[in-house]
Amino acid sequence: DTGVSQDPRHKITKRGQNVTFRCDPISEHNRLYWYRQTLGQGPEFLTYFQNEAQLEKSRLLSDRFSAERPKGSFSTLEIQRTEQGDSAMYLCASSLVPEAEAFFGQGTRLTVV
Amino acid sequence: GQNIDQPTEMTATEGAIVQINCTYQTSGFNGLFWYQQHAGEAPTFLSYNVLDGLEEKGRFSSFLSRSKGYSYLLLKELQMKDSASYLCAGVLKAAGNKLTFGGGTRVLVKP
Repeated sequence: DTGVSQDPRHKITKRGQNVTFRCDPISEHNRLYWYRQTLGQGPEFLTYFQNEAQLEKSRLLSDRFSAERPKGSFSTLEIQRTEQGDSAMYLCASSLVPEAEAFFGQGTRLTVV
Repeated sequence: GQNIDQPTEMTATEGAIVQINCTYQTSGFNGLFWYQQHAGEAPTFLSYNVLDGLEEKGRFSSFLSRSKGYSYLLLKELQMKDSASYLCAGVLKAAGNKLTFGGGTRVLVKP
């Protein structure tokens, strides 16, 4: 297993367009997180899954954001009608159990122009 | 609350020791993690504390006091490559055992 992978690594999009990011966690990991990070800040929680169940979505997240993990394996994060404020690094992480080390992917850097 | 607080920035000299403090305001605590993040890269795991006391791993040590809601990361014999952000993160039972991060402490190591 090569760890957590995210695709694409970089995305530039025009304001108002929709974007979708993919995360492939480590294969036996049941817990999957999505975070957003801007320069100089810590990762901000967006949502997380236990297997295919989405357990929580941040209250700070607008309805333009949605995430899925249909078979409890890979996950997608979609942002509809992107805004310039959505520009950030989007990080995915997975862990075997909640109390275990979470492994991060390299992130998807989104730039909305 | 679920706040995790740590200083924004610290500066230290190569070869010295730096201690990064982290406090959390919650009950139902289920573990405290420290991650290192170099600019433009993903966070990487450094340490995990769930019981009180000191965990030592080479030049890095992490301490936890659950009764005080307090942890620190100790970096010894600082090297230039240690310049990075250090993230404190907690797993909180009251929050469904999700991993929640502080704002990170940027450490600058000077020659």
